[in-house]
Amino acid sequence: EIVMTQSPATLSVSPGERATLSCRASQSVSGEIAWYQQKPGQAPRLLIYGASTRATGIPGRFSGSGSGTEFTLTISSLQSEDFATYYCQQYNNWPPLTFGGGTKVEIK
Amino acid sequence: EVQLVESGGALVQPGGSLRLSCEASGFTFSRHDMHWVRQAPGKRLEWVSGVTGAGDTLYADSVKGRFTMSREIARNSVHLQMDGLRVEDTAVYYCTRGGVWGVSSNWLDPWGQGTLVTVSS
Repeated sequence: EIVMTQSPATLSVSPGERATLSCRASQSVSGEIAWYQQKPGQAPRLLIYGASTRATGIPGRFSGSGSGTEFTLTISSLQSEDFATYYCQQYNNWPPLTFGGGTKVEIK
Repeated sequence: EVQLVESGGALVQPGGSLRLSCEASGFTFSRHDMHWVRQAPGKRLEWVSGVTGAGDTLYADSVKGRFTMSREIARNSVHLQMDGLRVEDTAVYYCTRGGVWGVSSNWLDPWGQGTLVTVSS
């Protein structure tokens, strides 16, 4: 099973600032990683797939990068609606599909 | 519009059974892998089971032998039969769409609204 580890667990950021979230895989997943946003009481929403491709309707301030075992989600200028928890997921080698533990982005 | 609607969540006693359902609309259901993912209170997302477009079913080790996933192509639906439920199965269960079988990969989009399963005496 591929273990996904996200850091930091919590990120305190001011509106308008950049946020950088990290995700590490226990073995190479090539570029087969997705990022999701989840707000309290809501289902996750797909942001990024293929490590760097934005899903339909996702604003350009969200970008993904990385390959192999190290990946990054960057939010270039945080808006109020971006404060949420973010999860990475690998789909390179399954079952099982595996998720990271999440990074909560909170208002500083 | 692509939509997934889950139903069937409830309060059940340990050792009991429950059947979740997910009705899909807005896409060619038979071509896609479909998955169940759960989230215990305050915890990370956990993949539970999936059915490929070819009809193969796969399970997480934590539910293997207790849960059975099935699909009804004619009704654009997937189901999760959960037997031998444990307290640790308590979670919101999400139905979600994966890739087109044999063509695209299993990023998950969209997700249903979730259905709550509580296992408690």
